[in-house]
Amino acid sequence: KQEVTQIPAALSVPEGENLVLNCSFTDSAIYNLQWFRQDPGKGLTSLLLIQSSQREQTSGRLNASLDKSSGRSTLYIAASQPGDSATYLCAAHSNYQLIWGAGTKLIIKP
Amino acid sequence: KAGVTQTPRYLIKTRGQQVTLSCSPISGHRSVSWYQQTPGQGLQFLFEYFSETQRNKGNFPGRFSGRQFSNSRSEMNVSTLELGDSALYLCASSQGQLSSGANVLTFGAGSRLTVL
Repeated sequence: KQEVTQIPAALSVPEGENLVLNCSFTDSAIYNLQWFRQDPGKGLTSLLLIQSSQREQTSGRLNASLDKSSGRSTLYIAASQPGDSATYLCAAHSNYQLIWGAGTKLIIKP
Repeated sequence: KAGVTQTPRYLIKTRGQQVTLSCSPISGHRSVSWYQQTPGQGLQFLFEYFSETQRNKGNFPGRFSGRQFSNSRSEMNVSTLELGDSALYLCASSQGQLSSGANVLTFGAGSRLTVL
């Protein structure tokens, strides 16, 4: 049974810092690994999707990597801004459904 | 283009009642998947509909059901509501089935259900 874990549960950093969010999964048989952000009281916004055959994806200041052999994905945020404050969730697509991590609540202090 | 629209945004029900939530996907998207989000359990997959057929279902009791219409709009229904059904219900649409592994999901803002 696939399980997804995100560490840390919460993170507070000063504006401008580079940071890394971690996501681990127990079953390497995944179709893809996706990263989302959720703003308070709102739905989810897709950030990056890494297919199982890929190692990383980049979008602007965001870079996500995938290492299936170790069951890990990281989301790297460069030059963080207050607008990056949100909850970040990863989801492993396996067995025809998305299995979600509990999220990392990120606060960027001005 | 218009995003994913969920209605109603908020609703309050009492135990034993039933509720129907609606999701209108992005035009051209044929897959709609539903998720339940609670503080205790986080996000959990409910089911996916593609071309009016349920393709996959998560680990939820039969009280949770859904359907999809020919225009890809989807509804989910919860019967005999329990206090534990209080949650944010999210739907997402994508062009292809989840099983293709390459589809980016676009989420609606969610329907927040409170069961008293």
